[in-house]
Amino acid sequence: DTGVSQNPRHKITKRGQNVTFRCDPISEHNRLYWYRQTLGQGPEFLTYFQNEAQLEKSRLLSDRFSAERPKGSFSTLEIQRTEQGDSAMYLCASSGPTGGSRNEQFFGPGTRLTVL
Amino acid sequence: GIQVEQSPPDLILQEGANSTLRCNFSDSVNNLQWFHQNPWGQLINLFYIPSGTKQNGRLSATTVATERYSLLYISSSQTTDSGVYFCAVEGYSTLTFGKGTMLLVSP
Repeated sequence: DTGVSQNPRHKITKRGQNVTFRCDPISEHNRLYWYRQTLGQGPEFLTYFQNEAQLEKSRLLSDRFSAERPKGSFSTLEIQRTEQGDSAMYLCASSGPTGGSRNEQFFGPGTRLTVL
Repeated sequence: GIQVEQSPPDLILQEGANSTLRCNFSDSVNNLQWFHQNPWGQLINLFYIPSGTKQNGRLSATTVATERYSLLYISSSQTTDSGVYFCAVEGYSTLTFGKGTMLLVSP
């Protein structure tokens, strides 16, 4: 399977705990995106990497959220001191290839976070 | 930022019927994609269509960039077509999604 993969698929945590999600993009893609989707809404952009550089962050990304892509391959999204309002589906997408002008994004299966 | 409006919000069809889903957007875009979200939440790429017309089996899409809208046509609908259809547009580098059209196809 050469698609975007995300782990874990589900995460249940208690309010105040920290959680970390991982995304592995399609191997030749140099761009990686994180989105959040709540019930009944479309996905909303959180942050975007080109290779290892974080180029854009949404205002939705509070100080409790941090994302990394240390070697320009996989990425992690950490949420510190989780709140019930963080409960959502967290989606990762990737696009590329390097040098291409076509920016079609492909999405992973998502990580569903429930904060109790 | 760019605004994306999809219509209708909900659609119920009998199997075999045809439908048209619409996506209006508020500004010039570099990219437009249509997705189908299955019941498990996976977004499945249907079309990458910043302009023009494309067809893939029973599905086709048309984007008129100068008039800032796109249409997704589903012909001879099947129960497996049920789910949420999203239009998403890219202004600079990231996608802005509409709220989706929830489609239910009954046997």
